[in-house]
Amino acid sequence: DIQLTQSPSFLSASVGDRVTITCRASQGISSYLAWYQQKPGKAPKLLIYAASTLQSGVPSRFSGSGSGTEFTLTISSLQPEDFATYYCQQLNSYPFTFGPGTKVDIK
Amino acid sequence: EVQLVQSGAEVKKPGESLKISCKGSGYSFTSYWIGWVRQMPGKGLEWMGIIYPGDSDTRYSPSFQGQVTISADKSISTAYLQWSSLKASDTAMYYCARLEAVTLPFDYWGQGTLVTVSS
Repeated sequence: DIQLTQSPSFLSASVGDRVTITCRASQGISSYLAWYQQKPGKAPKLLIYAASTLQSGVPSRFSGSGSGTEFTLTISSLQPEDFATYYCQQLNSYPFTFGPGTKVDIK
Repeated sequence: EVQLVQSGAEVKKPGESLKISCKGSGYSFTSYWIGWVRQMPGKGLEWMGIIYPGDSDTRYSPSFQGQVTISADKSISTAYLQWSSLKASDTAMYYCARLEAVTLPFDYWGQGTLVTVSS
């Protein structure tokens, strides 16, 4: 299985901050990476796929980059509704594993 | 509007069987894959497997192969996840979600089904 790691696992930030989350794959996955946001008690929501393609309806303050083994999710200006847990997922080979998550909390 | 509606919460005893469901609407059910994702209490997301209702092609994670069965009834646009003998460690929230192709992500999710297994 391809293993994904995320860093940091937890971050505390303020409204308006620029936030960057990193996802690393144990082997190359080209651009087969997606990012999801999950709020407590809710299903995950797709934010970005193919490493950098913004899902329809997702605010443009979210962006993704990377290829191969290292990827980033950036929130350019954190909003109150962005406090949540973020997961990456690789879609290169079965099983399509998720990263362990990064919780973004209010400073 | 695309919707995936899952069956309600379940409380079961160890050793019992269970089948939970996920009904799709607002799109062509047989043209998209449906996947299942486990989230144990306070933990992250785990990819369990996917099924293509059009021909019942099914792929499992090795971690879940033999532990659960994924199926679908295209006549009623419903996918299923079932256990033949539950364990306490199966206690979790289970989500179904749709994907257009195997290399694409889950774009629509169900609301989740909480399964509690306790003696």
